[in-house]
Amino acid sequence: QLQLQESGPRMVTASRTLTLTCTVSGGSLASGGSYWGWIRQRPGKGLEWLGYIYFSGSAYYNPSLKNRLDISLGTSEHQFSLTLESVTAADTAVYYCARGFSDKEGYNSGCDVWGQGTLVSVSS
Amino acid sequence: DIQMTQSPSSLSEFVGGRVTITCRSSQTISHYLNWYQQKPGKAPKLLIYDASTLQTGVPSRFSGRGSGTEFTLTIDNLQPEDFATYYCQQTYTTLITFGGGTRVDI
Repeated sequence: QLQLQESGPRMVTASRTLTLTCTVSGGSLASGGSYWGWIRQRPGKGLEWLGYIYFSGSAYYNPSLKNRLDISLGTSEHQFSLTLESVTAADTAVYYCARGFSDKEGYNSGCDVWGQGTLVSVSS
Repeated sequence: DIQMTQSPSSLSEFVGGRVTITCRSSQTISHYLNWYQQKPGKAPKLLIYDASTLQTGVPSRFSGRGSGTEFTLTIDNLQPEDFATYYCQQTYTTLITFGGGTRVDI
């Protein structure tokens, strides 16, 4: 059974860089028909899609993050990462990683497996 | 960006009742619309994908309809465990976006 787990710092100083890793178990990033995403949820707010990556390495980002965000594959087929530069208090949120699947025509469909989420606080 | 607008933002209903949540997109997204349920402190759970396909293991009291720009999620015979926040999500474009959420209260 595929499982995802986020890891990384719980607190980051403002203006520094946040790096989170998502570890995939019970499967791998090479699983056909999948995309691997990052989503966040600010306290008391809704879900915000940050970006995603395919096993090919192609990545797509939310432009609202203004080039601060990078999503990359790890050195193994079981990890991918989020790097967010120049963090501010507005980046305080629960960060989730998720696996999305593709439909028969190859278009992105829903995210059926999620990590439990990790709360990251930005301190001044 | 494709904007996703959910309505209402919150509602109250009795156990055993029926609720319908609407999600509208700012441009056509074909059938690339997914619905999630989220409970406090938990990750979202996929309920319906591609507008109307029930995810494995999700009770049949959940149903989804729509295409183009207007979509609905209906929950029949509302159960105590259904009280949660529901989000729609479009995956038609490379910039995936969520609706603002609908909170369903007892």
